[in-house]
Amino acid sequence: GENVEQHPSTLSVQEGDSAVIKCTYSDSASNYFPWYKQELGKRPQLIIDIRSNVGEKKDQRIAVTLNKTAKHFSLHITETQPEDSAVYFCARGAAGNKLTFGGGTRVLVKP
Amino acid sequence: NAGVTQTPKFQVLKTGQSMTLQCAQDMNHEYMSWYRQDPGMGLRLIHYSVGAGITDQGEVPNGYNVSRSTTEDFPLRLLSAAPSQTSVYFCASSYGGTNSPLHFGNGTRLTVT
Repeated sequence: GENVEQHPSTLSVQEGDSAVIKCTYSDSASNYFPWYKQELGKRPQLIIDIRSNVGEKKDQRIAVTLNKTAKHFSLHITETQPEDSAVYFCARGAAGNKLTFGGGTRVLVKP
Repeated sequence: NAGVTQTPKFQVLKTGQSMTLQCAQDMNHEYMSWYRQDPGMGLRLIHYSVGAGITDQGEVPNGYNVSRSTTEDFPLRLLSAAPSQTSVYFCASSYGGTNSPLHFGNGTRLTVT
């Protein structure tokens, strides 16, 4: 179906270290994979997205990789900072603009 | 642009009451949607609309109705509130088509007692 599995559910890293969050999906028709960051009490905000014709995309300290064969995609945050502490959601989309979200990863960056 | 505006920010209902959550966007987006967010369950799609006059069900539509009479507005109606509908509700919009980023409103925190 359209489910998205996201792991881990919580992630604690030391400031300056890297954080990696992985999502898997099952629908072969999926062709759009955005990542959202949600700070406490705030709305989700798009931080990066990737489309199925691209294997990797970078934006400063964040990057997303996509393996369509294995049906998984990952978010990489390098040189983590305290302001990176938030809940991160992956999502997948297919035709139209219905997004199915993963369950979220709570990231805590310890100074 | 105000973006996506949701009202109210907070609401407490008694079981069986009905109410409407308002959502408006001023970006001329064709696509609008409602999600609910519960702890540990991410965001689940309730209803969505690809344009004025068109609505469709998402993953968890039971107990909710929507309408899209204008491009700007997409209200969500709770017909008879239940404690299971206690949640944070987010409205989101995008310019439409496949793979366009969603813009979220600030959310409505609903408690049903």
